[in-house]
Amino acid sequence: ETGVTQTPRHLVMGMTNKKSLKCEQHLGHNAMYWYKQSAKKPLELMFVYNFKEQTENNSVPSRFSPECPNSSHLFLHLHTLQPEDSALYLCASSPGQATDTQYFGPGTRLTVL
Amino acid sequence: GDSVTQMEGPVTLSEEAFLTINCTYTATGYPSLFWYVQYPGEGLQLLLKATKADDKGSNKGFEATYRKETTSFHLEKGSVQVSDSAVYFCALMRTDAGGTSYGKLTFGQGTILTVHP
Repeated sequence: ETGVTQTPRHLVMGMTNKKSLKCEQHLGHNAMYWYKQSAKKPLELMFVYNFKEQTENNSVPSRFSPECPNSSHLFLHLHTLQPEDSALYLCASSPGQATDTQYFGPGTRLTVL
Repeated sequence: GDSVTQMEGPVTLSEEAFLTINCTYTATGYPSLFWYVQYPGEGLQLLLKATKADDKGSNKGFEATYRKETTSFHLEKGSVQVSDSAVYFCALMRTDAGGTSYGKLTFGQGTILTVHP
């Protein structure tokens, strides 16, 4: 059973919509991550938060806006997305950024029309 | 930069067959190596890991040995089951000499495994 939950599990949105993805971890961890999993491409790290502070932005376009209000919650705000942004978005957490094992949520399947 | 290369899939096997999925890496420093598994409709689960050269990670009958001389971390299982059907990802995380990680996992492209009864 995963200690990392993500909502919604599926999302369909138009290019002019604004939506948010939510991730919650119940493991008492201090670091949280957003990854993008596109078809036929390796998982790509998008953002890293450690103790609520963003420590990594992997050259992600500004139409993706992360928010980490506390160590248990992580959001990804989406606006004016493109069809090529359709992918599985995975959240992960770890005890701290300095520990190597990350625990993943089930992902949100996003489709941009 | 860091990179991970996995054998191309998909891999299709009969139940009880021997499995090898090749993984090689390029990284500076002292990477930790991982195999993650993704079952249909689910997120990634850590399958096994190794943190230094010659370490062997093992779990659920799967094994992988950290080979620094060949920069490899091949996944093996002696007898696969239908329930092993999933996507398998090899990954690395760079760490410093003291074992502290940088928090950035680099993944291979994934290998789809299908096991038939």
